[in-house]
Amino acid sequence: ETGVTQTPRHLVMGMTNKKSLKCEQHLGHNAMYWYKQSAKKPLELMFVYNFKEQTENNSVPSRFSPECPNSSHLFLHLHTLQPEDSALYLCASSQPGTIAGELFFGEGSRLTVL
Amino acid sequence: QKEVEQNSGPLSVPEGAIASLNCTYSDRGSQSFFWYRQYSGKSPELIMFIYSNGDKEDGRFTAQLNKASQYVSLLIRDSQPSDSATYLCAVKGSSYKLIFGSGTRLLVRP
Repeated sequence: ETGVTQTPRHLVMGMTNKKSLKCEQHLGHNAMYWYKQSAKKPLELMFVYNFKEQTENNSVPSRFSPECPNSSHLFLHLHTLQPEDSALYLCASSQPGTIAGELFFGEGSRLTVL
Repeated sequence: QKEVEQNSGPLSVPEGAIASLNCTYSDRGSQSFFWYRQYSGKSPELIMFIYSNGDKEDGRFTAQLNKASQYVSLLIRDSQPSDSATYLCAVKGSSYKLIFGSGTRLLVRP
């Protein structure tokens, strides 16, 4: 248990559906992240929020829409996705300014787009 | 050139042997280096970080950094089957972004 909880753990959706991924952290951290993990590829940083403000958007297509209502919650809204968007989506949190800047990851949401 | 490169493996070693995992990076301004372990179906977890040239030891794990050659390695002594996982190298570059490699899959044979 890392203190970062993601729901749902598995999601299957059609290309015309709209769904959302949810992340909640109980660590008191002020930075939250969305990463995409595809087979045989490096973890790809998608979005970063520091103190609820988006500080990084790594050229992510607009069909992915993040939302951070407070420092403990992060959402990823999905609409009109493509089959190549099928991947494991990992949420992480960290405490800015710490020496290690360690990322604490959730267990991930496995997304399949049909 | 990839920003952080790792051999995908699998690296297969017998139980009790030393496993050596290597990583090279392209950004000469990188300051912080991390090794994460990811078991199949699980999320990555931090096992080591290193900032200074040389070796850093923590139990059976030793991280080695050579900034001049732009490589960082992880040695696992007395490897156990429970060490079988994918090991991700991550580098915090001059942009302060954490960039991950694709990972090396380690298989420890009983």
